[in-house]
Amino acid sequence: NAGVTQTPKFQVLKTGQSMTLQCAQDMNHNSMYWYRQDPGMGLRLIYYSASEGTTDKGEVPNGYNVSRLNKREFSLRLESAAPSQTSVYFCASSEARGRRAFFGQGTRLTVV
Amino acid sequence: AQTVTQSQPEMSVQEAETVTLSCTYDTSENNYYLFWYKQPPSRQMILVIRQEAYKQQNATENRFSVNFQKAAKSFSLKISDSQLGDTAMYFCAFYSGGGADGLTFGKGTHLIIQP
Repeated sequence: NAGVTQTPKFQVLKTGQSMTLQCAQDMNHNSMYWYRQDPGMGLRLIYYSASEGTTDKGEVPNGYNVSRLNKREFSLRLESAAPSQTSVYFCASSEARGRRAFFGQGTRLTVV
Repeated sequence: AQTVTQSQPEMSVQEAETVTLSCTYDTSENNYYLFWYKQPPSRQMILVIRQEAYKQQNATENRFSVNFQKAAKSFSLKISDSQLGDTAMYFCAFYSGGGADGLTFGKGTHLIIQP
């Protein structure tokens, strides 16, 4: 039972490059989320998707786009990476509002 | 918008002792959910305990229990008989019952269990 799978686990980008972080869950959850974790800041919500076909902005959406490809997959795209986007990114999923969230292993992204 | 405050950036206790981590939150809602997540050095986010705001009874999970004070908007985590494996970052998190989706996290408390 894989749960929430994120790829890649590590990535180094040059300023201005683009990339897509992939996330897939096998628990048939409706809701999926992208968070970023910075030192001393806790986790902050970037985007979320309450159901297939819908996406909404979270607390820190600037510089990111998302796609809910199907019920299983929710990707996060950086169109033009900036050093301020250096962070650890977590994907999560939840069966319903208020239920526990299951997290992926995280992606450590460095933008130089 | 909701806010979650963890006032203890770091705590250190001896193995087998009891430790309490503090968390306060600010919301105007009456229906919501509160969580404690553990993040060990592996970076994995692990659910420790969950509390529904409409339930007055404090949640417990083995050595972990909470003191939920709804009027004071306080949600502290007590770890009894602490073990070396409890060393980790601990995050308090809030989930709205009807507002914006997603968890709002505190900044975390780094808990160190000394042998």
